[in-house]
Amino acid sequence: AQSVTQPDIHITVSEGASLELRCNYSYGATPYLFWYVQSPGQGLQLLLKYFSGDTLVQGIKGFEAEFKRSQSSFNLRKPSVHWSDAAEYFCAVGDDAGKSTFGDGTTLTVKP
Amino acid sequence: NAGVMQNPRHLVRRRGQEARLRCSPMKGHSHVYWYRQLPEEGLKFMVYLQKENIIDESGMPKERFSAEFPKEGPSILRIQQVVRGDSAAYFCASSPPWLQIPPPLHFGNGTRLTVT
Repeated sequence: AQSVTQPDIHITVSEGASLELRCNYSYGATPYLFWYVQSPGQGLQLLLKYFSGDTLVQGIKGFEAEFKRSQSSFNLRKPSVHWSDAAEYFCAVGDDAGKSTFGDGTTLTVKP
Repeated sequence: NAGVMQNPRHLVRRRGQEARLRCSPMKGHSHVYWYRQLPEEGLKFMVYLQKENIIDESGMPKERFSAEFPKEGPSILRIQQVVRGDSAAYFCASSPPWLQIPPPLHFGNGTRLTVT
C-alpha cells in the first residue's frame, strides 16, 4: 500500500528566508507525486506535480520540488518565503486509479 | 468554469441524526473522490465513484456511511446516526477521465460537520 510521510509537523521561517518541506513516499510502482497547499477553511490547491521526466519540477507561486528516487523523497522548496505562504502543505502520492494518499501535512508559519 | 462545489459549508447535527453532504464536480469531470480530514490530521481517503458506480470504498467505515453519484445530480455522502467522532471536514475532489496518467485532483472547499 502506498504511504506518505511528512516528518515536520510545524516549520517556522522568517520572511525572505528559504524554505524546504520534506516528503517521503512509499509506492511500489512509478509514483505520481503532488504537493498541495491549504489555507484555513479552504480546500486544497495544487502547487505542482511529478509524473516522469525532469526530476526538478516547477510549480505555482515560485515553488519547486525535486524527485529523488534513491531517497524516495519529493521535497518542496522556495528560495524566498512571503508572508502569504503561511498555510498547511500536503504531499500526496497517486496511484493508477487516480486515488491519492496524503501525508499528515506541515504547517508553515512565516515570521515578519 | 465553476470549480468543485460542496454544500453546505457548515453542518451541525445532533447525535443520532443524519448528515447529507453534497458535491458537484467540475464540468466535464466524471470521477469523484471523498476525503475526511480530522483536526490536526491529513486527508484520509474514503470512497471513489464514477457515475452510478462505486469504484473503491476501501476507506469507508463499514457502518452508517454511504456514498452515491447518480447519473443526474451531485454526489452525496450520507452519514446515518452521527456520533461525535464523525465531526470533521469532508472534502470532495474530482478529476476528468484519463487514458494513461491520472490527473491531479480538484478539491472543493469542504463541508465542516459538527456533531453536538
